[in-house]
Amino acid sequence: GAGVSQSPSNKVTEKGKDVELRCDPISGHTALYWYRQRLGQGLEFLIYFQGNSAPDKSGLPSDRFSAERTGESVSTLTIQRTQQEDSAVYLCASRGGHYTQYFGPGTRLTVL
Amino acid sequence: AQKVTQAQTEISVVEKEDVTLDCVYETRDTTYYLFWYKQPPSGELVFLIRRNSFDEQNEISGRYSWNFQKSTSSFNFTITASQVVDSAVYFCALSEAGRGAQKLVFGQGTRLTINP
Repeated sequence: GAGVSQSPSNKVTEKGKDVELRCDPISGHTALYWYRQRLGQGLEFLIYFQGNSAPDKSGLPSDRFSAERTGESVSTLTIQRTQQEDSAVYLCASRGGHYTQYFGPGTRLTVL
Repeated sequence: AQKVTQAQTEISVVEKEDVTLDCVYETRDTTYYLFWYKQPPSGELVFLIRRNSFDEQNEISGRYSWNFQKSTSSFNFTITASQVVDSAVYFCALSEAGRGAQKLVFGQGTRLTINP
């Protein structure tokens, strides 16, 4: 079946603009995660959604970052008033009943 | 707090050599999961293996093998007879088990280059 998809694949924006990144999880996967990968670094957890439970937002680096998920489907990560340090690859992952997270191809965000 | 350390930042070997990627982890949980992911130049993370903390059996999958040792908190990955297509960044990761978020804590990654 289809894997995790993300859009756009690349996004270039100017400092101060807002951006929205989209993630479509694997169908039937109840858990969804957002991670950030800065250049040459490992992945940092941002936020976790599980069904209708309150999301775990403990990894969001500032209040400029927010995310939503509609039921068990699409999620949107929004970054307001982007800064240059927000430049990174944003990766989405989904998980079904087991413990393995499957990742999408990521969105490369460049803030000029 | 959980932590994963991949001390080898970059490794470069000649094709057909064996190579081992090291992973050391820290956790206070008695039950946890360990993972290896491969990130080729395309950027997408590819799942390789998941290991439960209560299962210390080594695992072999083709040219890949994994050595899990709780006594040294290590989960090392060996590629036998390496090939150019194995060139990628490899990440080791750790997550709690149970009903929590199971968020992954990643190491910094090891960039593996296989030269022809």
